[in-house]
Amino acid sequence: AQKVTQAQTEISVVEKEDVTLDCVYETRDTTYYLFWYKQPPSGELVFLIRRNSFDEQNEISGRYSWNFQKSTSSFNFTITASQVVDSAVYFCALNTGGFKTIFGAGTRLFVKA
Amino acid sequence: GAVVSQHPSWVICKSGTSVKIECRSLDFQATTMFWYRQFPKQSLMLMATSNEGSKATYEQGVEKDKFLINHASLTLSTLTVTSAHPEDSSFYICSARTLSGQEETQYFGPGTRLLVL
Repeated sequence: AQKVTQAQTEISVVEKEDVTLDCVYETRDTTYYLFWYKQPPSGELVFLIRRNSFDEQNEISGRYSWNFQKSTSSFNFTITASQVVDSAVYFCALNTGGFKTIFGAGTRLFVKA
Repeated sequence: GAVVSQHPSWVICKSGTSVKIECRSLDFQATTMFWYRQFPKQSLMLMATSNEGSKATYEQGVEKDKFLINHASLTLSTLTVTSAHPEDSSFYICSARTLSGQEETQYFGPGTRLLVL
């Protein structure tokens, strides 16, 4: 069975703090894709990153960075120097190729000025 | 990047009426489209997978007679909520899958908010 767990329901930080959103996944497939999406209040999903199971390289994109560790089945997302505009719900998702993308429950991030 | 549109973006209807939501891939052909439902403060739950020219595959617990899906072309899928009731009020999001070489990508639409009075 496939599953994505985002244990943090809500996180509140003050602007300029760093924050890490956790994601743990379960799958028996050896080929799979992991994603992070941002959902602002408007509701539209904003794609942030996709990583396939064979690429464990960590990635940095501006203030965003991702730590993929197959050994612990985790794909954590860090926002450095958070800003108020980062306030949103963040979803981690898993796709095992083709037919279903399974979403975690989401983590609601509040960044206070 | 590829764009997926949904129409309408929001709809308010009376209980008992049917509502049709369209999902279009604007600049690519999508062999597979997916419909998700998201209740307030909850995650996206997959409702069904629709393949062009064939019947949709519904997830467990989703009533196929209640949520009619038609995928008539490679760029259009429709979801019809029949005899809508207040508990059907939700945010409906479609996505379209495309394959380029060995790379598969899924693009999400902006969502449709349905409020049933």
